[in-house]
Amino acid sequence: EVQLVQSGGEVKKPGESLRISCQASGYSFTDYWINWVRQMPGKGLEWMGRIDPSDSRINYSPSFDGHVIISVDKSTTTAFLQWSSLKASDTAKYYCMTAHPGGYEYWGQGTLVTVSS
Amino acid sequence: EIELTQSPATLSLSPGERATLSCRASQSFGSYLAWYQQKPGQAPRLVIYEASKRAPGIPDRFSGSGSGTDFTLTISSLQPEDCAVYYCQQRSIRPPLTFGGGTKVEIK
Repeated sequence: EVQLVQSGGEVKKPGESLRISCQASGYSFTDYWINWVRQMPGKGLEWMGRIDPSDSRINYSPSFDGHVIISVDKSTTTAFLQWSSLKASDTAKYYCMTAHPGGYEYWGQGTLVTVSS
Repeated sequence: EIELTQSPATLSLSPGERATLSCRASQSFGSYLAWYQQKPGQAPRLVIYEASKRAPGIPDRFSGSGSGTDFTLTISSLQPEDCAVYYCQQRSIRPPLTFGGGTKVEIK
């Protein structure tokens, strides 16, 4: 069974750093890109970027490039999303997702990040 | 960057009625469009991919059409469990893979 299990919710202060994770299981991790999607409270979905776990090739949305870093650890089949300096506007739910052939798509349960002084 | 505009913002229909949701792109990108359903408190769920292919487990009352810049999601006979926000997403080879702003489907 394919699963993406995300790390738990976080409460942080502005300026702090953070790394959240998405552990994949049930498939060959290096075969499919992992995407990150943001959803701010009461708002729509925003595609942040994606990573190819086989070679760590990354595409960022211009809206997020330079503000977040996407990475993977193949040894633990885990993808990461990290910030070096959080802002209040980073408060959101973050999802990881992987799309497989035939319309099979898998989402993590989401990680709620709250940034507040 | 391809921008997607969804309309209407809200669709309020009676059970059994036909729902037609629109997604218009700022530039053509073929048929690499997906539709998602999101219910409150849940992760999005893929409904349609490559503009017209139903994802596994999706009822056949859902159908997608279109290519280029104009796409449509149709729910042939609206059921109460179809109440959700629906998003389109462009999935061409050209990132960013932008989402539309969403259409909320309500039951009258």
